Amino acid sequence: QQQVKQSPQSLIVQKGGIPIINCAYENTAFDYFPWYQQFPGKGPALLIAIRPDVSEKKEGRFTISFNKSAKQFSLHIMDSQPGDSATYFCAASKDSGGSNYKLTFGKGTLLTVNP
Amino acid sequence: DTGVSQNPRHKITKRGQNVTFRCDPISEHNRLYWYRQTLGQGPEFLTYFQNEAQLEKSRLLSDRFSAERPKGSFSTLEIQRTEQGDSAMYLCASSLKAEVGYTFGSGTRLTVV
Repeated sequence: QQQVKQSPQSLIVQKGGIPIINCAYENTAFDYFPWYQQFPGKGPALLIAIRPDVSEKKEGRFTISFNKSAKQFSLHIMDSQPGDSATYFCAASKDSGGSNYKLTFGKGTLLTVNP
Repeated sequence: DTGVSQNPRHKITKRGQNVTFRCDPISEHNRLYWYRQTLGQGPEFLTYFQNEAQLEKSRLLSDRFSAERPKGSFSTLEIQRTEQGDSAMYLCASSLKAEVGYTFGSGTRLTVV
């Protein structure tokens, strides 16, 4: 059972474009939704995260949009740059009284930003 | 302290051999996690420590796998009698008690031949 479904699998945009990556979750107990960026040969790095009490969060060029009723959330990258080319993962977890932060990841989106 | 350190970075082993990986978390982080990532997939949770206590283990962690975190500092992940299906990137991450953002290491890539 895949609890977090991510799309598209790959995405190619031109420099300056706005790639959008989407994720859908099934478990309504999830209450923390981070996005991670991973470069080849490196571990994932936390990019931005959101909780379901807000519908949008911005950090620099990265924005998360969150739709609780649809159980969907998405990552937007404004003014994308070739250096943003990486694999992006959405994830979700539930805070069991502060004792467990196990993440369930999507399968990833390989983003290529052409110069 | 520059982050989560994992050693070795790469390990090639013959099927049936035992391997051990080490993770040194960020020093003030009391939570430590092991994940496994195969090609084209997202990381999958294996196990979780809070200080020295192993609080959760995934069903992915068969009897051939064992993880320890003595004294709540570094952690080791041992795989006994390795199989080709164990080939993957093994990622370690750590976090603070009151923080949900993980810091991942660069991983150990295991190849079983």
